[in-house]
Amino acid sequence: DAKTTQPNSMESNEEEPVHLPCNHSTISGTDYIHWYRQLPSQGPEYVIHGLTSNVNNRMASLAIAEDRKSSTLILHRATLRDAAVYYCILRTGNQFYFGTGTSLTVIP
Amino acid sequence: SAVISQKPSRDICQRGTSLTIQCQVDSQVTMMFWYRQQPGQSLTLIATANQGSEATYESGFVIDKFPISRPNLTFSTLTVSNMSPEDSSIYLCSVSGSSSYNEQFFGPGTRLTVL
Repeated sequence: DAKTTQPNSMESNEEEPVHLPCNHSTISGTDYIHWYRQLPSQGPEYVIHGLTSNVNNRMASLAIAEDRKSSTLILHRATLRDAAVYYCILRTGNQFYFGTGTSLTVIP
Repeated sequence: SAVISQKPSRDICQRGTSLTIQCQVDSQVTMMFWYRQQPGQSLTLIATANQGSEATYESGFVIDKFPISRPNLTFSTLTVSNMSPEDSSIYLCSVSGSSSYNEQFFGPGTRLTVL
């Protein structure tokens, strides 16, 4: 299975940008990179995904390294509601393989 | 998007018994999946629930322990059989649409405690 590696936890001050890193050195050419987040007592929710190019949406930006062996999720202005566990995931076909996740704490 | 409900939301069961978890979606979907999330851990894919055929199980998961049904395009069940305390986890179902595998929608999960 393709695997991802993330820091266990990170902290950010409210209204500051947050960069959440992910390593996926064994990624194959057809794997998509997805990011989901999970708030306490809820199922994961979609944040963003990409294949090779950097991606932006209303929630976040995804920066993908040129060799695709790493990526960074960027939250432009962290809010208290962004406190969650963020999962970097490789999608192989229609199946998701979750990494260990990064628990983000946002400090008021 | 899809709205997913699971029943029960939580349960406490005795060792050796079985529990069936239901997953209902508000629209027809192509793919349905079952995950396990052990306490403080990430999600692990158990199986893909295929409509009209047997589920496809991931390594480490077997049909005798986790039988799955998928009678139609909006409903699936996962049974946790002959439970032990090690089965205490949150079990989540998720779905993705036929137009794109890029986004999966997750249910709220079923929190299972086995005594």
